[in-house]
Formats: sequence, structure tokens, C-alpha cells
Amino acid sequence: QKEVEQNSGPLSVPEGAIASLNCTYSDRVSQSFFWYRQYSGKSPELIMSIYSNGDKEDGRFTAQLNKASQYVSLLIRDSQPSDSATYLCAAYNNNDMRFGAGTRLTVKP
Amino acid sequence: DAGVTQSPTHLIKTRGQHVTLRCSPISGHKSVSWYQQVLGQGPQFIFQYYEKEERGRGNFPDRFSARQFPNYSSELNVNALLLGDSALYLCASSLPQAGGPGDTQYFGPGTRLTVL
Repeated sequence: QKEVEQNSGPLSVPEGAIASLNCTYSDRVSQSFFWYRQYSGKSPELIMSIYSNGDKEDGRFTAQLNKASQYVSLLIRDSQPSDSATYLCAAYNNNDMRFGAGTRLTVKP
Repeated sequence: DAGVTQSPTHLIKTRGQHVTLRCSPISGHKSVSWYQQVLGQGPQFIFQYYEKEERGRGNFPDRFSARQFPNYSSELNVNALLLGDSALYLCASSLPQAGGPGDTQYFGPGTRLTVL
């Protein structure tokens, strides 16, 4: 069983729509969770971190964490073509960061 | 301020050779982590160093080693290269947040290693 799982996609949404990205993790003691965006051929870029149950909003991005369900999500409102990238979910515990394989998002103009 | 820097950008080696990758963290950051990312996968954790001490190690063979210097920069060494070592090697730096729940990591541009 993979420790951090994401739908590989591709996920395609029209410009201006809401993109919903999901992630589950298996290690119940994971303390912190991160979403990174990775453009093709580039390194991951931090979007958001979340540590507590509930929602955390930053601009067009909202991260949601449910530790009981071991579930993390990222909503992107008003999606733009420039949001087209692979989105990586990561869970951190005890000096060890585990990444999912990423979900590829395409925003169509 | 400069972000995380890595050198070289690209590297081509042949099987059996040795390689050294370098990383300089964001100014003020004391922890460096190394990851391997193969095409189509998420980054895989190799090592984390803090204050020159190894804090964590992923599931990689002993051919992989690393160290951190007093200025917090770091080197990743890989011996006896295999074709399967071809990947993007990422360095990430973090403060870390003492007593905090997490360890927000910021990635450098990576070193693309090709083993022929």
C-alpha cells in the first residue's frame, strides 16, 4: 500500500472552474501536510501547508484536512491555464516527508 | 534573497562512476533534505540533515551518502552508479520550526542525472 495516494489524472477543468485534488495517507501519526505544484521539467513549488483539521485558505487555494479520514484535499478556485501542472501531496512525520505520485491538472482556456 | 541553489544543473555519467551533487540552502535555514524523483513519480526521500547531523534516512542503498557542512550546505554522493539512478535529484531546505508540527521545505531547481 502506497503511503500517500493521489489520483494520477489527468484532471481537466475549464478555465474559471473549481479544480478539486484529493489525497489520502496511510500513516496515522503524520503531523503536517503540504501541497506542491510542479511544472514539467521544474522542481516542486510550495503552495500550502496544513496542520490542523479543517480548511485553510490562501487566495484562490483552499486546503482541507480530515485526520480521522486520513484525507487531504486542495481546491483551486477560478482555475487558470497557468495552473496546469502536476500537484503533489506530501505528508510529514518524524523527519520524513512522503510524497504522492501527483495529479496532473489541465485547465483548458 | 536567493532560494535554494543546486549544482550542477545537469550531469551525465556512466555506470560504475561516482557523482557528487551540491546544495546551498536558503539563508538562515539549517536543515537540508535530499530527494530522488524519477519520471512520473513523486520525490522519494533520501536523507535529511540538521546541524551537520543525519536526522532521517529513506530506503536507499549504502551507495548513497550525504553530509552537511558548517555553513549548512550539503553534498549528496552516489557511488557505483546504476542505470536506475538516472533521475532528478532535489534538495530542499527548511528552518526547521523548533517545536512546530511540521517542517516546511523549499526545493531547489534540482540536478538532472543521466547514467549511461
